[in-house]
Amino acid sequence: DQQVKQNSPSLSVQEGRISILNCDYTNSMFDYFLWYKKYPAEGPTFLISISSIKDKNEDGRFTVFLNKSAKHLSLHIVPSQPGDSAVYFCAASATNAGNMLTFGGGTRLMVKP
Amino acid sequence: DSGVTQTPKHLITATGQRVTLRCSPRSGDLSVYWYQQSLDQGLQFLIQYYNGEERAKGNILERFSAQQFPDLHSELNLSSLELGDSALYFCASSTRPRGETQYFGPGTRLLVL
Repeated sequence: DQQVKQNSPSLSVQEGRISILNCDYTNSMFDYFLWYKKYPAEGPTFLISISSIKDKNEDGRFTVFLNKSAKHLSLHIVPSQPGDSAVYFCAASATNAGNMLTFGGGTRLMVKP
Repeated sequence: DSGVTQTPKHLITATGQRVTLRCSPRSGDLSVYWYQQSLDQGLQFLIQYYNGEERAKGNILERFSAQQFPDLHSELNLSSLELGDSALYFCASSTRPRGETQYFGPGTRLLVL
């Protein structure tokens, strides 16, 4: 049973445009959500996080939106750059059930120059 | 560079053998997590230690064990290795055991032949 899902395995975007990556979850106990960026053969790199008490968090070009009622979060990258090309994972944790992260399957983002 | 180090970077071994993967957390982090990334299962949580004590267990096989030492480094022991254990093994660390961003190391790529 996949508790965190990223339904788009890949996304292609033109440089300078907005990239929107989506993630859905089923476990209502999740209260902390994170996005990681990953290159092949490297560890995931933390990008941005959001607590369930918020619905938006912004850090430079990256914004994460959380819709608790829909159990949906999204990562917006504006403007997209070729260096953003990587696999993006969303992850979730439930504070009262430890800090282990449950990951989605990832979305491969390709930003074309 | 996340500040989390893992050794070795690559490991090739044969079925039935035993290996030890090592992780040093970021300076000041007390919590260490181990994750496995395989082609068919994605990134999966294995086990968490906090200040030397086991804190949470995920989908970790009985053939696998881990520990965290007084200097806070951690080791993941994999025994009676099978072909299906071939994967990337990541270590992550955080300051506290709950509600914290985890920072990942570069991983150890294990190949069982």
